[in-house]
Amino acid sequence: DTEVTQTPKHLVMGMTNKKSLKCEQHMGHRAMYWYKQKAKKPPELMFVYSYEKLSINESVPSRFSPECPNSSLLNLHLHALQPEDSALYLCASSPDRGDYGYTFGSGTRLTVV
Amino acid sequence: TQLLEQSPQFLSIQEGENLTVYCNSSSVFSSLQWYRQEPGEGPVLLVTVVTGGEVKKLKRLTFQFGDARKDSSLHITAAQPGDTGLYLCAGPMKTSYDKVIFGPGTSLSVIP
Repeated sequence: DTEVTQTPKHLVMGMTNKKSLKCEQHMGHRAMYWYKQKAKKPPELMFVYSYEKLSINESVPSRFSPECPNSSLLNLHLHALQPEDSALYLCASSPDRGDYGYTFGSGTRLTVV
Repeated sequence: TQLLEQSPQFLSIQEGENLTVYCNSSSVFSSLQWYRQEPGEGPVLLVTVVTGGEVKKLKRLTFQFGDARKDSSLHITAAQPGDTGLYLCAGPMKTSYDKVIFGPGTSLSVIP
């Protein structure tokens, strides 16, 4: 299995809702990442988990809450989002460090209404 | 602050033409990665270059890492419509190899 699987593919949520994005990989990768990508822009790093521990938080607002239940799973819990949080949310993994490249999932297209 | 710049920002060419996309920085990178992203999908890793002066080929795509490890280029020979997409270069920060930054991307359109 050489894939990163993200669910759901599309999500529409209201500003008072709570939802979660899920990411799964079975490649034995030890680092997992959340990126946010707005239209016509490059991905922007949000969080890095290394060996199931949060190692980088790029000053992301607390309405985004990451969780790594085990080495294969990564969740992003969403609460009280704003319309400007609408974007493509990408999960990625790498064998250890990020300097040899990532495997990305297809992303979750999030719309906040 | 390490930054990556890419040029051109947009490129529209006819099928069969050749093209080169550039990725530049004023900082040294330990490695650089190239990705292609299609609309609504995640980026797909094409190659990682690690050694200064390194050249890697992937079918019609040729990647080069500058001798000083501050720049890289992607050359496509005889472009095809399937090459259409957003080409992103990326590299790890000196402060943390877990933190990979992306250039702004080159949007390529190959017209049949």
